[in-house]
Amino acid sequence: DTEVTQTPKHLVMGMTNKKSLKCEQHMGHRAMYWYKQKAKKPPELMFVYSYEKLSINESVPSRFSPECPNSSLLNLHLHALQPEDSALYLCASSQTGLAGGETQYFGPGTRLLVL
Amino acid sequence: GNSVTQMEGPVTLSEEAFLTINCTYTATGYPSLFWYVQYPGEGLQLLLKATKADDKGSNKGFEATYRKETTSFHLEKGSVQVSDSAVYFCALGGFNKFYFGSGTKLNVKP
Repeated sequence: DTEVTQTPKHLVMGMTNKKSLKCEQHMGHRAMYWYKQKAKKPPELMFVYSYEKLSINESVPSRFSPECPNSSLLNLHLHALQPEDSALYLCASSQTGLAGGETQYFGPGTRLLVL
Repeated sequence: GNSVTQMEGPVTLSEEAFLTINCTYTATGYPSLFWYVQYPGEGLQLLLKATKADDKGSNKGFEATYRKETTSFHLEKGSVQVSDSAVYFCALGGFNKFYFGSGTKLNVKP
């Protein structure tokens, strides 16, 4: 099973709302990733967790707050977002995050619209 | 540094035509190379990968060979179907992060 699940599938929020995106995998992977993808562009890396510790933050604004409660779960907490944050948010996982070239398995994404 | 360059799209082909999508890379070291496919409204799916020079990745009729001498990983398929219409991303697997190409949209007409 190479499935990564993400909820919700779609989310509409106002600029003053607080919401969370959730991601789950049951492949025994120890690395999980958040990406942001704008239309007609490749995914842009936001955060990487390896063994439940944040290993990469690609200078993401603090209105995005990641959390990794355990090795199977990854959350992205959203607060005071801007309309330009509207995008497809993709979660991915890989074996350890400690070796180069690991295959990443992607979820279906959450399509976020900020009004 | 690491980077990936992909041919600009969109690419429009008739069903059963031959497909080539060009991908070249620059890299420090010897990275793994990947092709991912994204269907409308979906996430990225791994199509194929190669981990070292001269490796050929293949899946669902698609193939790509890791060419160190030309720093290329071109995607090919002998006979495309309408269901192959999607965006294709070439990616280089660096330490802890991927370097994606810009993506190539493929439209296959019946």
